[in-house]
Amino acid sequence: DTEVTQTPKHLVMGMTNKKSLKCEQHMGHRAMYWYKQKAKKPPELMFVYSYEKLSINESVPSRFSPECPNSSLLNLHLHALQPEDSALYLCASSQDGLAAQQYFGPGTRLTVT
Amino acid sequence: GENVEQHPSTLSVQEGDSAVIKCTYSDSASNYFPWYKQELGKGPQLIIDIRSNVGEKKDQRIAVTLNKTAKHFSLHITETQPEDSAVYFCAAGKLGMEYGNKLVFGAGTILRVKS
Repeated sequence: DTEVTQTPKHLVMGMTNKKSLKCEQHMGHRAMYWYKQKAKKPPELMFVYSYEKLSINESVPSRFSPECPNSSLLNLHLHALQPEDSALYLCASSQDGLAAQQYFGPGTRLTVT
Repeated sequence: GENVEQHPSTLSVQEGDSAVIKCTYSDSASNYFPWYKQELGKGPQLIIDIRSNVGEKKDQRIAVTLNKTAKHFSLHITETQPEDSAVYFCAAGKLGMEYGNKLVFGAGTILRVKS
């Protein structure tokens, strides 16, 4: 089973709202990733967690705050977003930081109004 | 940093024909090259990957070739079917990084298979 689940599927939020995106995997993977994908563009890496520790932050603005409560869960906390942050947010996981194959979830479609 | 270029941006083929998508990368240290298929409203799905110690890999109708000297790799789909219609992304990464496998994606190719 290579399933990564993400909730919610769709999210509409105002610029003053606080919301969270959730990602879950039960494959025993120890590396998890957040990507941002704008329409008709490739995924862009935002954050990497390896063994529940933040290992890569691709200079993402502080209005995006990742959290890895345990090895199966990954959250992305959103606050004071801008309309240009509207995108598909994808979560992925791999066996560990050294492993090659990353498996993606279906994504959360975020619209900031 | 790594830069991945992907061509063509769109590709239309007749059902049953072959499709070829090409990518070039800039960082000679990259040693892992996956291909992802993304259907409308879905996340990218890993369809095949290749490591730098291998020149070619096949999985049924799909094959990937790698030329390390020229720093390019290609996806070959034979006997295309309408369900192959999707956006295809190539990517490049470096294995063995404890902090995580950072992938850099190409711009994507929209493949349309006409029946």
